[in-house]
Amino acid sequence: GESVGLHLPTLSVQEGDNSIINCAYSNSASDYFIWYKQESGKGPQFIIDIRSNMDKRQGQRVTVLLNKTVKHLSLQIAATQPGDSAVYFCAENTNSGYALNFGKGTSLLVTP
Amino acid sequence: ETGVTQTPRHLVMGMTNKKSLKCEQHLGHNAMYWYKQSAKKPLELMFVYSLEERVENNSVPSRFSPECPNSSHLFLHLHTLQPEDSALYLCASSQVRSQDGGYTFGSGTRLTVV
Repeated sequence: GESVGLHLPTLSVQEGDNSIINCAYSNSASDYFIWYKQESGKGPQFIIDIRSNMDKRQGQRVTVLLNKTVKHLSLQIAATQPGDSAVYFCAENTNSGYALNFGKGTSLLVTP
Repeated sequence: ETGVTQTPRHLVMGMTNKKSLKCEQHLGHNAMYWYKQSAKKPLELMFVYSLEERVENNSVPSRFSPECPNSSHLFLHLHTLQPEDSALYLCASSQVRSQDGGYTFGSGTRLTVV
């Protein structure tokens, strides 16, 4: 079946560096994408979303890039901080779907 | 506090027990979801309730039985579970077919089946 997946299971970065987390999706009908952050012992928390009619969206220290040609999504975190250490999930759905489909997640570890 | 509250936070049950997980949302959403999160696997959608009607059941074994008595409450009734059912069970809510980032998750119930 069609799925959402992540390229790398773990990512280690130094505090202050920029982080890039990548995601591939295979459903060409997907038109809405979300990045979630999950800290230990908590449920996933919304970070940023993007619709398929956009290729870039910026938030506070985060940027999501969407490349529909290659079905690729990325999350960029600027000036990564220890509090950014968590598992990051991409998720997608279509305008006819009820629920989100999630990728496996990337564990981000920020070292001092 | 995210607006979606799940109880209990932790649950240990034997394979012959019957227990229920509870989810409550205070966000005025009209869709609620159960997801299962196992180690090293994507979140797995189990059930979707939209306007209090079940609209998706992703081939979940009958030992899991959902209930949605109203738009604010969602239950997952458990009976005769297996050890492989041990996982984090997450509840979420949203507006139906929301595309406005409106999927809000609870903190989950960590279930251990012994």
